[in-house]
Amino acid sequence: EAGVAQSPRYKIIEKRQSVAFWCNPISGHATLYWYQQILGQGPKLLIQFQNNGVVDDSQLPKDRFSAERLKGVDSTLKIQPAKLEDSAVYLCASSLVSRGDGYGYTFGSGTRLTVV
Amino acid sequence: QKEVEQNSGPLSVPEGAIASLNCTYSDRGSQSFFWYRQYSGKSPELIMFIYSNGDKEDGRFTAQLNKASQYVSLLIRDSQPSDSATYLCAVNPSTGNQFYFGTGTSLTVIP
Repeated sequence: EAGVAQSPRYKIIEKRQSVAFWCNPISGHATLYWYQQILGQGPKLLIQFQNNGVVDDSQLPKDRFSAERLKGVDSTLKIQPAKLEDSAVYLCASSLVSRGDGYGYTFGSGTRLTVV
Repeated sequence: QKEVEQNSGPLSVPEGAIASLNCTYSDRGSQSFFWYRQYSGKSPELIMFIYSNGDKEDGRFTAQLNKASQYVSLLIRDSQPSDSATYLCAVNPSTGNQFYFGTGTSLTVIP
């Protein structure tokens, strides 16, 4: 079974620029999550999709972050404009069921963003 | 805010010893609890999950849950240098479907 695919692997941008990350979940996984992990911290949920609908985006900084999941499969996360504090690893995860029971909850390899 | 607290460490144990990792959580109604291992520069990978009070064993790993004390722990028996990583505690709270993660405990197993 292929895992959760993310790209790019690394990205360096200047502050105030925009950036986009892409995620392709495990086939058949209805639920997709974007997490932000700042160095030395645990992952923090930004947004959760169930198929192509948003379940939870309460911690997404909506003034600069946006995400979409067209057709309930791939997802993109965008930051515009980026700030220095957005430097982090952005992790995508997917699961079979909407309740996070851990079973089948798989993380991608992440995108490491550096804002300079 | 649903808080999950972990001792950031670093925790160092000699090879073959038992490593004990601890986690407390603030939401008394939390339903399920998870331990993830994260190697440097890699994504988290699930080690174990536990729902009920008591112990759950899987190979060298034992998860312990005490809901009354809002405490969950992970024991690693016969620690190996390959166990050196950051261990993240994650909690699925009483409402919603997301996980709340602790900051992680860095474990080093010394050969």
